Amino acid sequence: GNSVTQMEGPVTLSEEAFLTINCTYTATGYPSLFWYVQYPGEGLQLLLKATKADDKGSNKGFEATYRKETTSFHLEKGSVQVSDSAVYFCALSDGVQFYFGTGTSLTVIP
Amino acid sequence: SQTIHQWPATLVQPVGSPLSLECTVEGTSNPNLYWYRQAAGRGLQLLFYSVGIGQISSEVPQNLSASRPQDRQFILSSKKLLLSDSGFYLCAWSISGNTEAFFGQGTRLTVV
Repeated sequence: GNSVTQMEGPVTLSEEAFLTINCTYTATGYPSLFWYVQYPGEGLQLLLKATKADDKGSNKGFEATYRKETTSFHLEKGSVQVSDSAVYFCALSDGVQFYFGTGTSLTVIP
Repeated sequence: SQTIHQWPATLVQPVGSPLSLECTVEGTSNPNLYWYRQAAGRGLQLLFYSVGIGQISSEVPQNLSASRPQDRQFILSSKKLLLSDSGFYLCAWSISGNTEAFFGQGTRLTVV
């Protein structure tokens, strides 16, 4: 079946540090992959996506590359800001259902 | 443009009372619709999804039910709430074919 395994948190970084949140997946077929961000008390917002192997999704300085050979979609940012503090979810879609990781809480301290 | 409305934003209900959470989508037709629950500090649990009017798939047997009376309306219900029903409920929609899901702002339900 389809599933997503995401790096456990919480993660605490200093401002301007490099961020990596690991995500690996198991899927049949050719899923699309996503990163969502959730700020306190809000719904999930799409951060970036990739729909096929070797695609790189990017937004607001965040990047993730769809790696079919390693079944991974790791989230990276070169220099985090305090405003990036949130919970990040990796997800995949088979075209109908969405499968989410357990979320990684990120806190960025000044 | 498409929008999703979910209400109420917060709800405090006594144990044993009924529940009705409503979600509507505007600006699209025949969306896939989803209800998720997020317990405090936990990930998302898919409760129900629907690919069309009257078509409901349940992922987790529990004290809840869902209905889709209209194409863009998705309702989450319970006849008698339990303490364990407390959580953050999220409605979402997507279009089949690997596009992203769009989420509502969520409903914080506290059962007391």
